[in-house]
Amino acid sequence: KTQVEQSPQSLVVRQGENCVLQCNYSVTPDNHLRWFKQDTGKGLVSLTVLVDQKDKTSNGRYSATLDKDAKHSTLHITATLLDDTATYICVVGDRGSALGRLHFGAGTQLIVIP
Amino acid sequence: EAAVTQSPRNKVTVTGGNVTLSCRQTNSHNYMYWYRQDTGHGLRLIHYSYGAGNLQIGDVPDGYKATRTTQEDFFLLLELASPSQTSLYFCASKFRDRNTEVFFGKGTRLTVV
Repeated sequence: KTQVEQSPQSLVVRQGENCVLQCNYSVTPDNHLRWFKQDTGKGLVSLTVLVDQKDKTSNGRYSATLDKDAKHSTLHITATLLDDTATYICVVGDRGSALGRLHFGAGTQLIVIP
Repeated sequence: EAAVTQSPRNKVTVTGGNVTLSCRQTNSHNYMYWYRQDTGHGLRLIHYSYGAGNLQIGDVPDGYKATRTTQEDFFLLLELASPSQTSLYFCASKFRDRNTEVFFGKGTRLTVV
């Protein structure tokens, strides 16, 4: 059973627009949540990590929120650039596992057009 | 910047062939992981290890063996490759603490024909 669900599956925006990506999960107990950016056919690069019960982070044009009560996270990208075209992956760390198991969403494919 | 190096980056083999994927990290990380990534799925954990000589079974281990020969090196072995193992494979590493940064290699694209 998929424990991390991301929406939308894909998204097309025009350069300069803002967008919001969603992540819902059922991992229990949850420890932390990370957002990764994956360029086509390449490795994953961490954008931000959220740890607290209700957390917010900001990293340049990327900002994220986490609500552990709702088991929900959002990733906001402001003033999108063509280079933002990528797949964005939500990953939840399992607090119950001493070995730091990670649960991956299938990703949201973002396409930024001129 | 922490580094995780995978080799080869691309590999084509025939059904029934023998393949070894290599991963090396020079970050002194405890944990190392092998994942596969397929369209429509999140990364799925094949095997992982928390130190030299240790091996833990992941969620999709069938058809795969792994060995952690040193702190730095983690190998994934496909002894009788099948077309269903055509995938993009990622290695990752991290320190012991649960929410520390995870570093990924650039991936190995394996095609079994």
